[in-house]
Amino acid sequence: QSALTQPASVSGSPGQSITISCTGTDSDVGGYNYVSWYQQYPGKAPKLMIYDVSKRPSEVSNRFSGSKFDNTASLTISELQAEDEADYYCSSFTASNTVVFGGGTKLTV
Amino acid sequence: QVQLVQSGAEVKKPGASVKVSCKASGYNFNGYYMHWVRQAPGQGLEWMGWFNPYNGGTNYARRFQGRVTMTSDTSITTAYMELSSLRSDDTAVYYCAKSLEIFGVATLDYWGQGTLVTVYS
Repeated sequence: QSALTQPASVSGSPGQSITISCTGTDSDVGGYNYVSWYQQYPGKAPKLMIYDVSKRPSEVSNRFSGSKFDNTASLTISELQAEDEADYYCSSFTASNTVVFGGGTKLTV
Repeated sequence: QVQLVQSGAEVKKPGASVKVSCKASGYNFNGYYMHWVRQAPGQGLEWMGWFNPYNGGTNYARRFQGRVTMTSDTSITTAYMELSSLRSDDTAVYYCAKSLEIFGVATLDYWGQGTLVTVYS
């Protein structure tokens, strides 16, 4: 199972919006509405930000949103804040009943 | 509140095995799969497999099959991940994480603090 494809880095200014893409195949991203996004700060465990493509845990800011079209999922962060600077990983359920992660994207604010 | 507390850092020689524990509390341990994910220094997240505490079922990532064993002791709500035939490129932080949904696989909602395993001779 190959890793999902994410851009290595993205950047934006405070107040702007950014989008991180996550491309897979028909056997993972395209085949199921089970894409998740995780935020990770250096030296810390990942934190769930989005699940089932576009659902948001109650404690996560509504500035974070998710979507999907065909084999590509996207995470959008609006009204960027300095605290959003972190690494972001997508993941997907797969046809083998497994999970696959993307390579990660470093967001610079 | 849900908590996953992992065992401490380990240093192992090549060829040895390591067993990492993950003590769970605050939820029905038997109802939620436990995943293991690792992260090599400066690298991304790598999914290793999941374990079903209810019936002992497993599903391992292909690259770890034959080297990884995931188990649990339900009496103390603790999950374990054992990795054998360690190589230097197994040096990583190993995380346990529980599934969001009952008997679901797709989403990992709570994570342990991570256990650093260092392999060197």
